[in-house]
Amino acid sequence: DSGVTQTPKHLITATGQRVTLRCSPRSGDLSVYWYQQSLDQGLQFLIQYYNGEERAKGNILERFSAQQFPDLHSELNLSSLELGDSALYFCASSPARLGTPRVYNEQFFGPGTRLTVL
Amino acid sequence: SQELEQSPQSLIVQEGKNLTINCTSSKTLYGLYWYKQKYGEGLIFLMMLQKGGEEKSHEKITAKLDEKKQQSSLHITASQPSHAGIYLCGAAPYHLYNQGGKLIFGQGTELSVKP
Repeated sequence: DSGVTQTPKHLITATGQRVTLRCSPRSGDLSVYWYQQSLDQGLQFLIQYYNGEERAKGNILERFSAQQFPDLHSELNLSSLELGDSALYFCASSPARLGTPRVYNEQFFGPGTRLTVL
Repeated sequence: SQELEQSPQSLIVQEGKNLTINCTSSKTLYGLYWYKQKYGEGLIFLMMLQKGGEEKSHEKITAKLDEKKQQSSLHITASQPSHAGIYLCGAAPYHLYNQGGKLIFGQGTELSVKP
């Protein structure tokens, strides 16, 4: 158990719908990362939040958005869903602190949310 | 953009045999991370390598980092069925100080261990 929790574990929905994925980082971790894993694209970085602020963006679609709340949990919102959005979505957290000597960034992954769009 | 290439893509070994998985980066490595994933499940952090020449071990798994070659290897000694899964290497494409801490991942190596 990594200490990162994600809900729900499975999500089945229809095209055009909107869903919200939730993540709680490990206690004390300020950074939350969202990744998408699919068979054809592999594991791809979507977006990072650090202490409530967006820190970095990957190839995240405009239909997708995320936020990190004051209690540090994060939500990933996926809207106007398409068949191709079916994938495993992972959240990860990291103990790294920006601006400190600790510059390496091991990330701890949650169990993932399997999204199926029908 | 940085890419990580893992080899082999899949591997089937007899229990008790040794094996090696390689991860090669197209650019400078700022830390190299190894993860294990059971199919459809989350990634389990195995170890992190920070400096060229560094070698770390955890139980029967040893990882090395060759910074000059921009390459890392993961070696499993006396493989067991519990070692089966997908092994992924990840790397930070830039220094954490300056920008976000995203990781770029290889495509994974699927390991099967036959009893």
